Amino acid sequence: SQQGEEDPQALSIQEGENATMNCSYKTSINNLQWYRQNSGRGLVHLILIRSNEREKHSGRLRVTLDTSKKSSSLLITASRAADTASYFCATDASGGGADGLTFGKGTHLIIQP
Amino acid sequence: EAEVAQSPRYKITEKSQAVAFWCDPISGHATLYWYRQILGQGPELLVQFQDESVVDDSQLPKDRFSAERLKGVDSTLKIQPAELGDSAMYLCASSWDRGQVAGGQTDTQYFGPGTRLTVL
Repeated sequence: SQQGEEDPQALSIQEGENATMNCSYKTSINNLQWYRQNSGRGLVHLILIRSNEREKHSGRLRVTLDTSKKSSSLLITASRAADTASYFCATDASGGGADGLTFGKGTHLIIQP
Repeated sequence: EAEVAQSPRYKITEKSQAVAFWCDPISGHATLYWYRQILGQGPELLVQFQDESVVDDSQLPKDRFSAERLKGVDSTLKIQPAELGDSAMYLCASSWDRGQVAGGQTDTQYFGPGTRLTVL
C-alpha cells in the first residue's frame, strides 16, 4: 500500500518559474526523502529530511517538513527544462528494523521552454 | 561516484517462463532492497536484506518470487513462472545500515537504473 500522496498529480509551468509539490503521509516517520525519476529511468535521490528537521536546502531545492500535519513540500526555484520529470516523496516509518521506503504516486512536472 | 548496478536493463519474456534479475549494490552498503514499480505509480517494496539475511519480505509474492543475497553482496530476484501482471520496472536500492550511520538512523537509499520487464 502507498502511504504518501503527492499533490498535484501533474504540474506544468514556464521555465524560470518556481514549482511546488506537496506530500502527505499517514504514520510516524524517521525521515522523508524526495526522488526524481526521468521517464523510464531509475530514481535519483534529491534530498533527505529527518523527522527532527523542519527545513532543508540543496541548491535550487527547498524541502519543508511538518510532522504535526504529516506533510512535506518540495520547492524547485528557477525551473529549467531539465527539471521535467516525476517527483516522488518516500517515507521511512519509525520503529522496527524494516527500513523499506513507502512511496506516493508522484507528481509529474513539465517545464515549458 | 559509486552506483548501484542492475542487469539486464530490459527483459521480454512469455508468461510461464522464468526470469532473473541481478543487482550489485554500492560497495560497503549492508542493506539492499528490491522494489517493483508499475507504470504510473510509485515503487513498492518487495524485499529488504541486511547482509545476507532477509529483514522484510512481507510484500513478496512467495508463490512465484524468490530473492537471495548469498554472500551479502550482490543479489538475485527470480520470478517463476512469470505472469502478465508482473510487467513492471524492478528497482534495486542499497544503503548504509543503521549501525553505520551516526545516531543509528536509517539513511539515503540509492537506486539502480532498474530492469524493465515485459511479460507477453
